[in-house]
Amino acid sequence: GENVEQHPSTLSVQEGDSAVIKCTYSDSASNYFPWYKQELGKGPQLIIDIRSNVGEKKDQRIAVTLNKTAKHFSLHITETQPEDSAVYFCAASKPNFGNEKLTFGTGTRLTIIP
Amino acid sequence: ETGVTQSPTHLIKTRGQQVTLRCSSQSGHNTVSWYQQALGQGPQFIFQYYREEENGRGNFPPRFSGLQFPNYSSELNVNALELDDSALYLCASSSGQGGDGELFFGEGSRLTVL
Repeated sequence: GENVEQHPSTLSVQEGDSAVIKCTYSDSASNYFPWYKQELGKGPQLIIDIRSNVGEKKDQRIAVTLNKTAKHFSLHITETQPEDSAVYFCAASKPNFGNEKLTFGTGTRLTIIP
Repeated sequence: ETGVTQSPTHLIKTRGQQVTLRCSSQSGHNTVSWYQQALGQGPQFIFQYYREEENGRGNFPPRFSGLQFPNYSSELNVNALELDDSALYLCASSSGQGGDGELFFGEGSRLTVL
């Protein structure tokens, strides 16, 4: 089955700097790659996603890049703010009719230092 | 628009007991997925329900079972509880079967097994 590895497990950056989180996946059939943010005591919330027919996607301060050949994708957060502190998860899936399932990475705890 | 709601938020059980967790999907969503999140880990897919039928299952034993009702709400049942079942159980809803993978998570039910 699919295996998703995520690095680093913890990341501390100064407010205003950029943060990068990287993930690799094993199944070349995977074609959907979402990123979730989980704050303490809450469920994961989708922040951005990318499909395998796109190499890069950006939404304000957040961007995701995908390298299908190398089977890795990355989350980039620019101009970090204290409210960006949370645990971030990457995930991968190969949606087909009848089985929508996400395989998650192990998470990155991002701390923004004021 | 009402989001995904789960109950109870916290509960404590002892080994061998049975537990039922409940989930109300987001308005307009007809698919419910359940995930188990152990402490410090990413969520793991348990199963998905669509039109009241199981529609995909992860690597979980048969003592994990579920139901979906005509109003799209859902239950997760776990029999013969084991210590390793202690985790945050997340329900996520989405629209359409085998769709775009965009899941909306509830805040979870934290189960402690003693």
